[in-house]
Amino acid sequence: DAKTTQPTSMDCAEGRAANLPCNHSTISGNEYVYWYRQIHSQGPQYIIHGLKNNETNEMASLIITEDRKSSTLILPHATLRDTAVYYCIVRVGGAYGGSQGNLIFGKGTKLSVKP
Amino acid sequence: SAVISQKPSRDICQRGTSLTIQCQVDSQVTMMFWYRQQPGQSLTLIATANQGSEATYESGFVIDKFPISRPNLTFSTLTVSNMSPEDSSIYLCSVCRGANTEAFFGQGTRLTVV
Repeated sequence: DAKTTQPTSMDCAEGRAANLPCNHSTISGNEYVYWYRQIHSQGPQYIIHGLKNNETNEMASLIITEDRKSSTLILPHATLRDTAVYYCIVRVGGAYGGSQGNLIFGKGTKLSVKP
Repeated sequence: SAVISQKPSRDICQRGTSLTIQCQVDSQVTMMFWYRQQPGQSLTLIATANQGSEATYESGFVIDKFPISRPNLTFSTLTVSNMSPEDSSIYLCSVCRGANTEAFFGQGTRLTVV
């Protein structure tokens, strides 16, 4: 089972910031938080990941609470093209081999950006 | 990043037949995975394709139904055997260079079994 809890759906006005929450209260010390999104009929797209520090890239910012039990993905200026299902995933890091490194997807949050 | 090419992009197959899906990556990668996405559902991991050894299957998936090959570090195939309508799904290839690095996905193969 997925180790994360996300709201089923959210709406956001175009041009506004979209803040997508994720709860991962059972996260382990060696697990990273990853965010992916899947636009309709396409393969999932990597957005950002982090361990405990806040992270920012050209797509989004990731805010992880100090206890690491929850995080928020921030799309600073949402556009219509950001409409997608957003997946928050925790994943083991460290030495790889076997099934380590794979992604366990939950149901995600369906974000609808509206004009 | 990694550029992943999946073939075919879609297919309609008769029940009882088999389909082999190819995944080609533009550079060598350590890990390759196969996922299934049933209609309206999230992605489910089928197996990890191991180079030079047998694939590692997740619970509920078996080699006889989903044989996987990985002859080198840039290529893998997934076969969906003896298909039934319940196998109608999108099948996705994913690659990763390390356990704490991002994974990249192909565009998927949309399979319809009639």
